[in-house]
Amino acid sequence: DQQVKQNSPSLSVQEGRISILNCDYTNSMFDYFLWYKKYPAEGPTFLISISSIKDKNEDGRFTVFLNKSAKHLSLHIVPSQPGDSAVYFCAASGNSKLTFGKGITLSVRP
Amino acid sequence: NAGVMQNPRHLVRRRGQEARLRCSPMKGHSHVYWYRQLPEEGLKFMVYLQKENIIDESGMPKERFSAEFPKEGPSILRIQQVVRGDSAAYFCASSYGLPGYNEQFFGPGTRLTVL
Repeated sequence: DQQVKQNSPSLSVQEGRISILNCDYTNSMFDYFLWYKKYPAEGPTFLISISSIKDKNEDGRFTVFLNKSAKHLSLHIVPSQPGDSAVYFCAASGNSKLTFGKGITLSVRP
Repeated sequence: NAGVMQNPRHLVRRRGQEARLRCSPMKGHSHVYWYRQLPEEGLKFMVYLQKENIIDESGMPKERFSAEFPKEGPSILRIQQVVRGDSAAYFCASSYGLPGYNEQFFGPGTRLTVL
């Protein structure tokens, strides 16, 4: 039973354009959502988060949008840079643990 | 300010041996979490500990796996009598306060290979 779903395994965008990474969840008890970025052979690095009482949170080039009624969140990266190429995990918080999606591999082409 | 430390980074064991994975949380963090990542999968929660206490072990297999976070020293994830299916990356994370509204900071992981 996958409670956090990242249905697209990969995304390729041109440098300077927008990257949109999507995430869906099924458990309405989740109340805090996070995005992590992961390079090969490294641990995940926290990127940005959003509380369920908000619908948008922005930090520099990164913006996370939350649509509670659709149980959907998305991460926007504008403008995308080659250094953004990594695996991005969506995570949802509930009952003291994080539930992760399977990740999306983002490739930003120069 | 050192981040979350894990050692060893790579561990090779033969079937039936024991694996011990260590995690030192960030300074000032008293909450530790262990996650496992199988190939092509996301991270799966295993256990959440505070000093000397297991708070939630709902993601940990009932047999062969145990975790501790003693008053002094690192947190230890122990896998007894390893099998090939235990081969995975094991990540430790720590947070300052209660989970939910405090970001968890991850270590670099221990990659366990069972021959």
